[in-house]
Amino acid sequence: GENVEQHPSTLSVQEGDSAVIKCTYSDSASNYFPWYKQELGKRPQLIIDIRSNVGEKKDQRIAVTLNKTAKHFSLHITETQPEDSAVYFCAASIINNDMRFGAGTRLTVKP
Amino acid sequence: DSGVTQTPKHLITATGQRVTLRCSPRSGDLSVYWYQQSLDQGLQFLIQYYNGEERAKGNILERFSAQQFPDLHSELNLSSLELGDSALYFCASSPGGTAEAFFGQGTRLTVV
Repeated sequence: GENVEQHPSTLSVQEGDSAVIKCTYSDSASNYFPWYKQELGKRPQLIIDIRSNVGEKKDQRIAVTLNKTAKHFSLHITETQPEDSAVYFCAASIINNDMRFGAGTRLTVKP
Repeated sequence: DSGVTQTPKHLITATGQRVTLRCSPRSGDLSVYWYQQSLDQGLQFLIQYYNGEERAKGNILERFSAQQFPDLHSELNLSSLELGDSALYFCASSPGGTAEAFFGQGTRLTVV
């Protein structure tokens, strides 16, 4: 099955700085790459996703890039705010098939 | 509110017992995924159902089983429970043909 690796496991930034989280996947057939944010004690929530026919997608301060050749994708958060502090998970899947998650990145934004 | 309902929210049971966790997907969603999240850990994929049929299996123990019923709700059965099974169990659902998966609030299982 698909194997997703995520780095770093923890990330601490100053408010206003940018944060980058990187993931690699193993199955070249994967065609859907979502990112989830999980706040303490809450359910993971989808924040942005990208499909394999797109190289980059932006939504306000959040962007995701995908390199299909290298089988890696990244989450970029600009102008970080304390409320961005959470655990972020990347995932890879073939649409309508299982979705495998990375191990998560605990992001701390220091005011 | 994601529209995915999980019951119960909390469950405390003794070792060796059996429990059933229930998930009602969003209206119209055909896929149901089950994940296990131990304390401060990632989301371990257990199993996926699509329109009543098992579609994919992850790191699911033989003591665990699941099924999806004709009305598309799903149940995860955990038997011969051990202390290490204590975790947050999430269900997620997604529509057929698209891919966004939405998570329920989870069931926190404590085995004592």
